[in-house]
Amino acid sequence: GENVEQHPSTLSVQEGDSAVIKCTYSDSASNYFPWYKQELGKGPQLIIDIRSNVGEKKDQRIAVTLNKTAKHFSLHITETQPEDSAVYFCAAFVQGAQKLVFGQGTRLTINP
Amino acid sequence: NAGVTQTPKFQVLKTGQSMTLQCAQDMNHNSMYWYRQDPGMGLRLIYYSASEGTTDKGEVPNGYNVSRLNKREFSLRLESAAPSQTSVYFCASTLSAPGNTIYFGEGSWLTVV
Repeated sequence: GENVEQHPSTLSVQEGDSAVIKCTYSDSASNYFPWYKQELGKGPQLIIDIRSNVGEKKDQRIAVTLNKTAKHFSLHITETQPEDSAVYFCAAFVQGAQKLVFGQGTRLTINP
Repeated sequence: NAGVTQTPKFQVLKTGQSMTLQCAQDMNHNSMYWYRQDPGMGLRLIYYSASEGTTDKGEVPNGYNVSRLNKREFSLRLESAAPSQTSVYFCASTLSAPGNTIYFGEGSWLTVV
């Protein structure tokens, strides 16, 4: 089955700097890759996603890149702010099986 | 606009007791999921229902059962709770096609003592 690896598990950056989180997946049938942000005591919330026919997508300070050949995708947050501090999860949607498989999560801390 | 609603939010069980976590969505979604979240392990899929009338095992189904009661509701049952089932449980739903947003509930905190 699909396996999603996420790195790093923790990341600490200075406010205003950029943060990058990377994921790899194993199943070439995966064709949709969302990123979720989870704040303490809350459920995961979608922040950006990308389909397998697109290489890059940007939404204000957040961008995601996808390399299908290498089976990896990354989340980029620029000009980080304190409210970006949270746990971030990548995921891969397995076409056919109709299920979403998550990475292990990255705890991002923005230092003022 | 309720989205995905889970109950209860908090529960403490004794080993061997049974309980059911309830989940309902009001978005007319086809697919529903149950995940558990443990420290350092992300979210792991327990069971899912790709459409009304179907259920399938995920990564960690042992010790759980599910029922897709109708299109709106998907329940998770622990027949004989064990301390290893202490976790945060999340229900989620989506229209089912890839590229459709998957929405999560707020979570149910379960402790088995």
